[in-house]
Amino acid sequence: DQQVKQNSPSLSVQEGRISILNCDYTNSMFDYFLWYKKYPAEGPTFLISISSIKDKNEDGRFTVFLNKSAKHLSLHIVPSQPGDSAVYFCAASPLSNSGYALNFGKGTSLLVTP
Amino acid sequence: NAGVTQTPKFQVLKTGQSMTLQCAQDMNHNSMYWYRQDPGMGLRLIYYSASEGTTDKGEVPNGYNVSRLNKREFSLRLESAAPSQTSVYFCASSERGSGTAFFGQGTRLTVV
Repeated sequence: DQQVKQNSPSLSVQEGRISILNCDYTNSMFDYFLWYKKYPAEGPTFLISISSIKDKNEDGRFTVFLNKSAKHLSLHIVPSQPGDSAVYFCAASPLSNSGYALNFGKGTSLLVTP
Repeated sequence: NAGVTQTPKFQVLKTGQSMTLQCAQDMNHNSMYWYRQDPGMGLRLIYYSASEGTTDKGEVPNGYNVSRLNKREFSLRLESAAPSQTSVYFCASSERGSGTAFFGQGTRLTVV
C-alpha cells in the first residue's frame, strides 16, 4: 500500500511562474520529509527536506511546507526556470526506524516552458 | 568526489541468468539501500543495510539477495533473472540518523 502519494503525474508551468508540487502521506510515524529531483538517466538528487517539528523550510527558490494535521506537504519553486524541468519525488522516513529507509511517492514530472 | 558508484551502468540478461550489481560509497555512511524504479511506480525499496553486518528486506525483496561486504560496499544479486526484474536499479547511502540518502547513477537492467 502506497504510504506516500503524489497524485499529479505531471505539471506544466511557464517560466517565471510558481510551481507547486503536492504530496500526501498516510503513515503517522513519518517525521522527516524530503524532495528529490531526477533528470533522465541520472540518479535522484536531494533537493530540500523538512522535519516534523517545522512547518516550513526555505532554500533559495525552493520552499517546502508541511501540514501535519492534513498529512500533506508541498514544494514551491519560485520563480520556475526551464532547468527545473525534471521528475520530482516526495519521500518520507520514520527516523525512529532502525534502517531510516525512505518511502517514495511515484513522482511528478514538471515541465517549465519558456 | 565519487559519492555512490554503481557498476555496471547497463546490462542485458537472458531469463534464468544470474548477475551481481555492485555498489560502493566513499562517504563513510553506515546505511545503504537498493531501490528499483519502474515506470509509474516510483522508487521501491528492495533491501537495505542499516549498518555493516546487517541486512533487511524492503518492500519488494523477492528474487533478490544482498551482501554488505564491508562498510563501503553493498551488492545486489539476481540468482535467476526474470523479465519482471527489468528495471532501473539505484543504490543509495545515508548516515544513520540523518534521513537524507545519496544516490548512485543507476543500473539499467533488461531481462529478455
